[in-house]
Amino acid sequence: EDQVTQSPEALRLQEGESSSLNCSYTVSGLRGLFWYRQDPGKGPEFLFTLYSAGEEKEKERLKATLTKKESFLHITAPKPEDSATYLCAAGEGGSEKLVFGKGMKLTVNP
Amino acid sequence: NAGVMQNPRHLVRRRGQEARLRCSPMKGHSHVYWYRQLPEEGLKFMVYLQKENIIDESGMPKERFSAEFPKEGPSILRIQQVVRGDSAAYFCASSPVDGRRGYTFGSGTRLTVV
Repeated sequence: EDQVTQSPEALRLQEGESSSLNCSYTVSGLRGLFWYRQDPGKGPEFLFTLYSAGEEKEKERLKATLTKKESFLHITAPKPEDSATYLCAAGEGGSEKLVFGKGMKLTVNP
Repeated sequence: NAGVMQNPRHLVRRRGQEARLRCSPMKGHSHVYWYRQLPEEGLKFMVYLQKENIIDESGMPKERFSAEFPKEGPSILRIQQVVRGDSAAYFCASSPVDGRRGYTFGSGTRLTVV
């Protein structure tokens, strides 16, 4: 069965304290690894898609990387406005659906 | 350019009633996806539709749930005879051609069954 596991489930950082979020996946024929950000009471907001091992993408303080079994979301010098739940999702080959992890709640304290 | 519009934002239904959730995709998007988010759970795929066609409904419960995306008007997710376990946030997403580059999600409908 296809699975996506995110760790840690929650993370508290001080402003400026860099860290990484992990997403491990077991999906047959991965067609893409997706990262979303979700704020309370809102829908997920698209951040990145990674398609192949070794690929990296960056947006402001966020950088996503992909290996054959994992993806990492690196947060450099976070600010309080980066506080949110970060969702990882794997796209199944031959299908349009995404398999989501449970998310990682990030809190950045000023 | 409005994003994906879902209404209502909040819906309260008594057990046994019907719930109708609406989703208008982004302009130019012809693919619609419905996901359900239970408390403390990740988003779960329900159904993928194109105009007038259900493409993949492998995540839909076999009974009481149905979805449509008519030629004109929004996509509708319909839940008949709701039960407490249906209480969740229901998210709709859309994409222009297919979902390979990521969907755009709406803000969701929060269904509470009392």
